[in-house]
Amino acid sequence: GAVVSQHPSWVICKSGTSVKIECRSLDFQATTMFWYRQFPKQSLMLMATSNEGSKATYEQGVEKDKFLINHASLTLSTLTVTSAHPEDSSFYICSASPITGGRGELFFGEGSRLTVL
Amino acid sequence: KNQVEQSPQSLIILEGKNCTLQCNYTVSPFSNLRWYKQDTGRGPVSLTIMTFSENTKSNGRYTATLDADTKQSSLHITASQLSDSASYICVVSLRLTGGGNKLTFGTGTQLKVEL
Repeated sequence: GAVVSQHPSWVICKSGTSVKIECRSLDFQATTMFWYRQFPKQSLMLMATSNEGSKATYEQGVEKDKFLINHASLTLSTLTVTSAHPEDSSFYICSASPITGGRGELFFGEGSRLTVL
Repeated sequence: KNQVEQSPQSLIILEGKNCTLQCNYTVSPFSNLRWYKQDTGRGPVSLTIMTFSENTKSNGRYTATLDADTKQSSLHITASQLSDSASYICVVSLRLTGGGNKLTFGTGTQLKVEL
């Protein structure tokens, strides 16, 4: 099946630093990728929709200057958590759908666990 | 308000037993409904995806049903195994005017299979 890869799978950083998380579709192209965050024992919460070649669309309450999204190619989207604080510690997951083929199937990455000290 | 509610919130069963997870939704207009399995600390993995015209779909020991009239879906797991222990998430796709879909996630059912 289609594979979506995230990197890093986990990261620990100091408060005030920025962290970049990559999301790659390994065997298909995607014009749209999605970024979610998930707190323990809660469901996924959509943060933003990443659009290749254009600006991301952010959900209400998500700070676009805090969570920078870049979708530079049809196989790569990045999420940068700027000036991270302990409350940004969470599990970040991306997803993508193939442009062609499939049935609108949505494939998720393995997630990236961010811990801000 | 478009919502997806799952029940039970958590469930413990013995290995080999069957179980059924429920998903009720108010999303409209409906596009499709998906069930995902999410192991702890991992990304969700698709189990089934159903459109409004599909009443049932199976994937191995997993069988999903959909009643678009009552807006209910269930996921039945047969002969459970320890590896079935995970969170099961129901995701309903809302069809947007102008094209595209918006996903609404349920809060999940945490299943634990014990010996």
